[in-house]
Amino acid sequence: GQQLNQSPQSMFIQEGEDVSMNCTSSSIFNTWLWYKQDPGEGPVLLIALYKAGELTSNGRLTAQFGITRKDSFLNISASIPSDVGIYFCAGPPLYNFGNEKLTFGTGTRLTIIP
Amino acid sequence: KAGVTQTPRYLIKTRGQQVTLSCSPISGHRSVSWYQQTPGQGLQFLFEYFSETQRNKGNFPGRFSGRQFSNSRSEMNVSTLELGDSALYLCASSQGQTGVETQYFGPGTRLLVL
Repeated sequence: GQQLNQSPQSMFIQEGEDVSMNCTSSSIFNTWLWYKQDPGEGPVLLIALYKAGELTSNGRLTAQFGITRKDSFLNISASIPSDVGIYFCAGPPLYNFGNEKLTFGTGTRLTIIP
Repeated sequence: KAGVTQTPRYLIKTRGQQVTLSCSPISGHRSVSWYQQTPGQGLQFLFEYFSETQRNKGNFPGRFSGRQFSNSRSEMNVSTLELGDSALYLCASSQGQTGVETQYFGPGTRLLVL
């Protein structure tokens, strides 16, 4: 089935560093969603992107909808301890009808080194 | 508004048993989707219910079933449990309008099958 590949799989950074991660697909997406999941909890929506080329910010987070519609990027500036968690990209591929199904990426695990 | 709630949060069952999980969506949301999350397969879509009807279904065996009540609360049932069914089961709610919507996740039910 449809697969979204995220890279890197894991990141080990120091507090205060900036973070970049991306998500790529073999198929076109018409919406990209970025979620963060804390241990033992469900994913929480961070940013939603609806148009190719769109750049959207949410505090220290910035995400971009790739021009080809097959990728998306998430940046976190000046990381803090509460940024630790797993980041997922997700979206319904173009051939899906409506919002019935979200395909999730493989996740990027962010760890902050003291 | 209260968020998505799931009960129970943790469950231990043995092979061959059946289990029922419950999800209460955000007030006013009419769509409930269920996902299975495992370390090996990541987040995978199970099915979506809207107005008490299954609107879409992922690629899971018939042992996985669900239903939705008139108040939009949803239950998911897994019969004849297998060891591989051990996972975090997440439900997500949305308004259920046509087109792409963002989904809001509950904290999940962690199921362990022994």
